[in-house]
Amino acid sequence: GDSVTQMEGPVTLSEEAFLTINCTYTATGYPSLFWYVQYPGEGLQLLLKATKADDKGSNKGFEATYRKETTSFHLEKGSVQVSDSAVYFCALTGGYNKLIFGAGTRLAVHP
Amino acid sequence: DTGVSQNPRHKITKRGQNVTFRCDPISEHNRLYWYRQTLGQGPEFLTYFQNEAQLEKSRLLSDRFSAERPKGSFSTLEIQRTEQGDSAMYLCASSPRSDAYGYTFGSGTRLTVV
Repeated sequence: GDSVTQMEGPVTLSEEAFLTINCTYTATGYPSLFWYVQYPGEGLQLLLKATKADDKGSNKGFEATYRKETTSFHLEKGSVQVSDSAVYFCALTGGYNKLIFGAGTRLAVHP
Repeated sequence: DTGVSQNPRHKITKRGQNVTFRCDPISEHNRLYWYRQTLGQGPEFLTYFQNEAQLEKSRLLSDRFSAERPKGSFSTLEIQRTEQGDSAMYLCASSPRSDAYGYTFGSGTRLTVV
C-alpha cells in the first residue's frame, strides 16, 4: 500500500543553519504531497503542499519540490530559527483524499 | 467559525469502559476524517465521512470502534470495552467540497486507558 518514509530524528541544529528533512514515498497513481508541522502543545498545521510532479510548495521560508523520478519531497529551509523547533510530518493523499503520514521528524533549533 | 473543535481534550478511563468523543467540524466542510496518533508516530487514518455517509473505514477500526455523523454535522467516535492499546491522541479533521486538500485539524482528544 501507499506509504511515506521520513528521516529519523531528532535533528538538532544551531540557529541560522540550513535544514533538510528527507521524505520519500511509495504510491500508486499520482498523489498530492504535504508537509505538516506540529508545534509543542498545538495541533497539526499545514506547512506546504504540491499537487503534481515538479511543483514546488513554499511557506514561511520552507520549500519542498515534488520529484516523481526519485519519489521524494524533501523539506528545506535556508536559515532556521529557534521558533521552527517542532515535529514535521510528510504526508500524501490516498483514496478519498485521506492523508497517509510518515512517522515525523523532530527538529530542535538552539540559539 | 473557530475551526475544528474536539471534546473532551483529555479522557482517562478504566480498561473495559466505553468512551465517546465528539468532533465539530467547520460548518461548511462536508468531508470529515478521524485519525489516531500514538506517541512518536504520525497520525493513522481511521475513517472518513462525506456529509452523513461513512465511505471508508480503516482495518485499524476494530468492531469495538464506531463512528457516526448524523445529519452531516458533528461526528462522534465511540470505543467500547477500551483496552490499554487504545491509549492515543484521536484527531478529527475536516475539509470543504471546494478544496479537498484544505484540511483543518482539531487539537485532538487524548485518551489514557488505565
